[in-house]
Amino acid sequence: GAVVSQHPSRVICKSGTSVKIECRSLDFQATTMFWYRQFPKQSLMLMATSNEGSKATYEQGVEKDKFLINHASLTLSTLTVTSAHPEDSSFYICSAGTDANTEAFFGQGTRLTVV
Amino acid sequence: GENVEQHPSTLSVQEGDSAVIKCTYSDSASNYFPWYKQELGKRPQLIIDIRSNVGEKKDQRIAVTLNKTAKHFSLHITETQPEDSAVYFCAASTRGYQKVTFGTGTKLQVIP
Repeated sequence: GAVVSQHPSRVICKSGTSVKIECRSLDFQATTMFWYRQFPKQSLMLMATSNEGSKATYEQGVEKDKFLINHASLTLSTLTVTSAHPEDSSFYICSAGTDANTEAFFGQGTRLTVV
Repeated sequence: GENVEQHPSTLSVQEGDSAVIKCTYSDSASNYFPWYKQELGKRPQLIIDIRSNVGEKKDQRIAVTLNKTAKHFSLHITETQPEDSAVYFCAASTRGYQKVTFGTGTKLQVIP
């Protein structure tokens, strides 16, 4: 199957700083990627749809100025958590697929801890 | 938007018994229903999926059923094994197969 890789897998940052998470499709091109957030013992909640070469589409209630998404190439999307606070601590996961009619493949996730 | 409800939230079964997890969805336009298994701290793993033009699908010990009229779909695991212990999520998609809405999750514990 297709491989989606995230980096870093774990990150600890200080409150008020920014953190960038990368999501790469290793063996295919992805015009669309998706970013999810998962709090402990909860489900995955879609944050935004990342579109190559255009602005991301954010789900209701997600602050676009806080969660900056850049999808500058067909194999890379980045999520930057700006001015992070402890309540942003979560598991962030991206997904992508080879085309609209195939299953989504998930990255391994990034555990963000804001102290 | 789509809303997916899932129950039970926790399920304990004896090894060898069957486990059933049920989900309902709200958007009648949903046409793709994947099921994921997630172990602690890891990515969701697709275990089976079903399209809206199919009522049932089976893969070894795992089966999924879909009732479009009632907007219900269910996961059945037979002959459960300790390694089946994990959190299972149902999901639904209305556009393509990648942008999915997840259910609330079921923590399955298989007792040896």
